[in-house]
Amino acid sequence: GAVVSQHPSWVICKSGTSVKIECRSLDFQATTMFWYRQFPKQSLMLMATSNEGSKATYEQGVEKDKFLINHASLTLSTLTVTSAHPEDSSFYICSARDVTGWAGANVLTFGAGSRLTVL
Amino acid sequence: DQQVKQNSPSLSVQEGRISILNCDYTNSMFDYFLWYKKYPAEGPTFLISISSIKDKNEDGRFTVFLNKSAKHLSLHIVPSQPGDSAVYFCAASAASGNTPLVFGKGTRLSVIA
Repeated sequence: GAVVSQHPSWVICKSGTSVKIECRSLDFQATTMFWYRQFPKQSLMLMATSNEGSKATYEQGVEKDKFLINHASLTLSTLTVTSAHPEDSSFYICSARDVTGWAGANVLTFGAGSRLTVL
Repeated sequence: DQQVKQNSPSLSVQEGRISILNCDYTNSMFDYFLWYKKYPAEGPTFLISISSIKDKNEDGRFTVFLNKSAKHLSLHIVPSQPGDSAVYFCAASAASGNTPLVFGKGTRLSVIA
């Protein structure tokens, strides 16, 4: 089945630094990837839709200058948290669909997530 | 405004019994519903789904029921096993195409041996 690889799984950084999270679709191409964020004991909140070769679409309330998304190829999307602050500490998860797979356009496959801790 | 609601944050069930997780939605445009299972510090994994043209879908121990008129769906797990202990998220999508999923807040299931 479709596999989405996410790296790093855990990162700790100092306040003010930038952190890049990579999301790769393995064995399938994804023109669209989705970035979610999960706070403790909360739901998965959609942050942005990453579109290959074009600008990402951000959800209301998500700062596009803070969370830079680059979808440079059909298998890779990156999320960069710029000038990270403690309130950016969270669990970030990417996802994509293998539209050629058995589940078609409906099932999202998620990466393992990246836990960011900003000191 | 929360479009997908899971009103029970937690549920405890004895091993071997049935687990029933509930989900309600408000957006009548939703036409595809999914259940995901999530362990701590991991991404959600797909469990089972149902299209709005059906009212039931079964896969082994897992069955999802959809009541469109009530905008309600439920996940039944029988028999429940300790390994089923996890957080279960209900998700929904609207229309065709590559659209994101809208998630509920999740229900933490604990299966007690």
